[in-house]
Amino acid sequence: DADVTQTPRNRITKTGKRIMLECSQTKGHDRMYWYRQDPGLGLRLIYYSFDVKDINKGEISDGYSVSRQAQAKFSLSLESAIPNQTALYFCATSRPSGTYNEQFFGPGTRLTVL
Amino acid sequence: AQSVTQLGSHVSVSEGALVLLRCNYSSSVPPYLFWYVQYPNQGLQLLLKYTSAATLVKGINGFEAEFKKSETSFHLTKPSAHMSDAAEYFCAVSPSGGYNKLIFGAGTRLAVHP
Repeated sequence: DADVTQTPRNRITKTGKRIMLECSQTKGHDRMYWYRQDPGLGLRLIYYSFDVKDINKGEISDGYSVSRQAQAKFSLSLESAIPNQTALYFCATSRPSGTYNEQFFGPGTRLTVL
Repeated sequence: AQSVTQLGSHVSVSEGALVLLRCNYSSSVPPYLFWYVQYPNQGLQLLLKYTSAATLVKGINGFEAEFKKSETSFHLTKPSAHMSDAAEYFCAVSPSGGYNKLIFGAGTRLAVHP
């Protein structure tokens, strides 16, 4: 049983389309994160959420929005997709501060924008 | 501001040889440090973490890392490489004393050849 799941796993879309990537977790963690991974750049933080009412921008939030529907669900939206948003997207979770901020990752969503 | 530098985007070793993946960090406060591994088509998995207890940290799959404050380094080693170690490895830093983001290095891709 996967603790952090992401849907879809792969998605191809066209420029200008609205896309939603979904993340669910069964770990009971309060904190959730969205990252994108690009070759040679590592992982960069898009948005993070401490709890349902607390959402924060990361270092590359432009062009993205998020929704924390419940403790266990955190969705990432691309309102109008563009080709340079082609990347591998990861969702992650962690316990509250005081536990070293160890993060647990989902399997990723590979997004291609044509 | 915290940052992480991984020296060498690609490292190639023979099966049975020593694995050494380099990580240097900058942090204004004592950090927590992590190594994650990403196998092909999978999410990131925690290898090991430094949380200010022992400076030599042992992780899964025979990997270990040593925290050296004077060198601001946290290099990852394994005495004898196995073919299954071929993956991408990410070093990450998080300052201690409360929540903050994980800052990832750009990653090092390890190839193991017979």
